[in-house]
Amino acid sequence: GDSVTQMEGPVTLSEEAFLTINCTYTATGYPSLFWYVQYPGEGLQLLLKATKADDKGSNKGFEATYRKETTSFHLEKGSVQVSDSAVYFCALTNSGGYQKVTFGTGTKLQVIP
Amino acid sequence: GAGVSQTPSNKVTEKGKYVELRCDPISGHTALYWYRQSLGQGPEFLIYFQGTGAADDSGLPNDRFFAVRPEGSVSTLKIQRTERGDSAVYLCASSPGHDGETQYFGPGTRLLVL
Repeated sequence: GDSVTQMEGPVTLSEEAFLTINCTYTATGYPSLFWYVQYPGEGLQLLLKATKADDKGSNKGFEATYRKETTSFHLEKGSVQVSDSAVYFCALTNSGGYQKVTFGTGTKLQVIP
Repeated sequence: GAGVSQTPSNKVTEKGKYVELRCDPISGHTALYWYRQSLGQGPEFLIYFQGTGAADDSGLPNDRFFAVRPEGSVSTLKIQRTERGDSAVYLCASSPGHDGETQYFGPGTRLLVL
C-alpha cells in the first residue's frame, strides 16, 4: 500500500538557519503530495502541495519539489523563524479515487532564538 | 467562515464505557473523513463519508468503532466498550468532495481511556 517516510526529529535549529526535512514516498499511480503543519495547541493545516511531477509547492517561505525519479518531496526553508516551531507532516493522496490522506510520522522542529 | 469543529475537545472515560465524538464540517462540504492520531505518530485514516453514506470504512480497527452521518453534515464517531489502546486524538476533516480538493482539519478530540 501507499506509505510516507520522513526524517525523524526533533530537529533543533537556530533562528535564520536553513531547514531541510526529508520525505520519500511509496505509491502506485500518480499521487498528490502535501506538507501539513501542526503548531502547538492547534489543528493540522495544509502548508503546501504539489499535484504532479516537477511541480513546486510553496507557502510562507517554505518550498518542496515533487521528484518522481527519487520519489521524494523534501521540505526546505532558507531562513527559519522561532514562529516556525511546529510538527511537520509529509503526506500523499492517491489518484486511485477519493482523497484519503496517508501521513508520515511527523518531524518536530524547534527553532531557538 | 467557520472551520471544522469537533466536540468535545477532551474526553476522559473508563475502560469499557461508550463514547461519542462529534464533528461539524465546513458548510457545504460533502466529503468527511475521520482519522486517529496516536502519540508521536501521524494521523491514520479511519472512515470516509460522501454525503450520508460511508464510502470507505476500511480504516476502522474493529467492530467497536462505528460512525454515522445521517443528514450529510454532522458526523458522530462512536466507540463501544472502550479500551486503553483507544486513547488518541481523533481528527475530523472535510472537503468539497471532488477529487484533488484540499482537506480541512478540525482541532481534534483528545480521548483518554483510563
